[in-house]
Amino acid sequence: EPEVTQTPSHQVTQMGQEVILRCVPISNHLYFYWYRQILGQKVEFLVSFYNNEISEKSEIFDDQFSVERPDGSNFTLKIRSTKLEDSAMYFCASSLNPGLAGRGTQYFGPGTRLLVL
Amino acid sequence: GIQVEQSPPDLILQEGANSTLRCNFSDSVNNLQWFHQNPWGQLINLFYIPSGTKQNGRLSATTVATERYSLLYISSSQTTDSGVYFCAVHSGGGADGLTFGKGTHLIIQP
Repeated sequence: EPEVTQTPSHQVTQMGQEVILRCVPISNHLYFYWYRQILGQKVEFLVSFYNNEISEKSEIFDDQFSVERPDGSNFTLKIRSTKLEDSAMYFCASSLNPGLAGRGTQYFGPGTRLLVL
Repeated sequence: GIQVEQSPPDLILQEGANSTLRCNFSDSVNNLQWFHQNPWGQLINLFYIPSGTKQNGRLSATTVATERYSLLYISSSQTTDSGVYFCAVHSGGGADGLTFGKGTHLIIQP
């Protein structure tokens, strides 16, 4: 069964450094998402991406965050200057077409656990 | 935005017991998903169920969209069912992100 993959599984970085989290969505999916989960809390939506542009973003997704689909398979989340409070699990997800009945299921990757020191 | 409330927040059961987890939401939805987060942090998709009833083995789910709630049933619990169960909804059109509840933390004791 196709699945969403993410790399790295864990990343430790120093405050102020840039990090890039990578995701390979399911190959025929059209919509891509990033979420984060601070330890012990609920999962929070960051951004959705469709047709090579941001479709929607939450209040969390400020100017230090950016997303990109650099080629036909990868989807990346960049955090420009990390802060201590960016420490969290970051999940990538993809879906086929949320506008069509039965095609909106979002499939989540295994996550990247980011620790900012 | 849409509010998602899950209950109970914590549940401890013996192996073999049955359980019902509830998700209430504050607005009409066009996507509702149930996830199981295992001890390694992975989010496992259980059901896509904006309305109706579905079953998958020992798990089943029912969403009553008109009354804005969904139920997840787990029968004959096993220790591997332990973890956090999240309900997540999407109320708008297009590629809006899912809004998650705070989850139900389920512990199945042998």
